[in-house]
Amino acid sequence: LAKTTQPISMDSYEGQEVNITCSHNNIATNDYITWYQQFPSQGPRFIIQGYKTKVTNEVASLFIPADRKSSTLSLPRVSLSDTAVYYCLVDYKLSFGAGTTVTVRA
Amino acid sequence: GAGVSQSPRYKVAKRGQDVALRCDPISGHVSLFWYQQALGQGPEFLTYFQNEAQLDKSGLPSDRFFAERPEGSVSTLKIQRTQQEDSAVYLCASSLGSPLQGGETQYFGPGTRLLVL
Repeated sequence: LAKTTQPISMDSYEGQEVNITCSHNNIATNDYITWYQQFPSQGPRFIIQGYKTKVTNEVASLFIPADRKSSTLSLPRVSLSDTAVYYCLVDYKLSFGAGTTVTVRA
Repeated sequence: GAGVSQSPRYKVAKRGQDVALRCDPISGHVSLFWYQQALGQGPEFLTYFQNEAQLDKSGLPSDRFFAERPEGSVSTLKIQRTQQEDSAVYLCASSLGSPLQGGETQYFGPGTRLLVL
């Protein structure tokens, strides 16, 4: 099973771009990479998912290199409301890990 | 419904009591998952259903934990003889298809916060 590794925390300011990289060296061929956002007292919320190359939606972009051993979530122009914990997941059976706590300051 | 719902939202139990936590998945979703989230940690997988079949229960921490989904819709997670270490948030998620095929998105409920005294 592919284990994921992310930075524990990141600090940013409003209007900046935040990039969070997740390592998943043992990702399986049929695994997709999914990122979730979680606020206190709420369940995780889907942000974006991809298999390879680049995926973009209205809230984020996901960059996946050719070897798929890592992925980078990019949050453009963050606001205070983006302060949350962000998790990357490649296998539903795995623990989400501690995730990355992103703190956005004014 | 509009999303995954869980009840109760909060539960306080005395050590040794049995508890039952309910999950109502999104209508039509085939797959249902239960996770346990301890304070300050990410969710940990407990069990997975495809329709009414429990295909994976490898994450259940002990035989005191039991889950069912008899009609392939609503699911109940039951914890017998609760212990203090069972205190956590229990999250339910559902997805339209099977996670084994890859690319399925899980939609999470708000969770049930269980406190065992």
